[in-house]
Amino acid sequence: AQSVTQLGSHVSVSEGALVLLRCNYSSSVPPYLFWYVQYPNQGLQLLLKYTTGATLVKGINGFEAEFKKSETSFHLTKPSAHMSDAAEYFCAARTGTASKLTFGTGTRLQVTL
Amino acid sequence: EPEVTQTPSHQVTQMGQEVILRCVPISNHLYFYWYRQILGQKVEFLVSFYNNEISEKSEIFDDQFSVERPDGSNFTLKIRSTKLEDSAMYFCASSRTEVAYEQYFGPGTRLTVT
Repeated sequence: AQSVTQLGSHVSVSEGALVLLRCNYSSSVPPYLFWYVQYPNQGLQLLLKYTTGATLVKGINGFEAEFKKSETSFHLTKPSAHMSDAAEYFCAARTGTASKLTFGTGTRLQVTL
Repeated sequence: EPEVTQTPSHQVTQMGQEVILRCVPISNHLYFYWYRQILGQKVEFLVSFYNNEISEKSEIFDDQFSVERPDGSNFTLKIRSTKLEDSAMYFCASSRTEVAYEQYFGPGTRLTVT
């Protein structure tokens, strides 16, 4: 069965520092991969997705992620954190013809001055 | 920008009562989904719906749950007899086609069963 693992339920970075949120998937076939962000009292907003093609994908708000098949990973990065990036981030996967998304447990990003 | 809306934002109900959670998907979308997130846990898939029928459902989606698209705009999730463990945030999502991989999520309804 498909599963998504996010290492670190809480990550704290200083403003201006690199953001790295980790996501690994387990799947017998390469899945489609997504990162969603959830701000307080809001729904899930799509940051970026990987389906096929270029393995480095760029999303909104300066985030990007790289699909590494050999490492079964899809880590999310941003070169310089901003206070407004503080939120919960979810990695999700979808395999083949199944329409459902399988989510990781989420990582809460805190940005400090 | 079009968005998925959900009502109510918070619903409190007593155990054993029926609740209906409402969603208005994005207007030209054809695929609809419900997910839930129990406090402190991951977001879990409940059901997907297309062409007026369920296309996929999880083991969570038992006989106590049902979905309906009663008109051209609303998509509802009914829980027939709520249990304490049904307390969660329920998210509705929609996508334009199954191939358009993005699912757009609503803000959620927080259901509290007492």
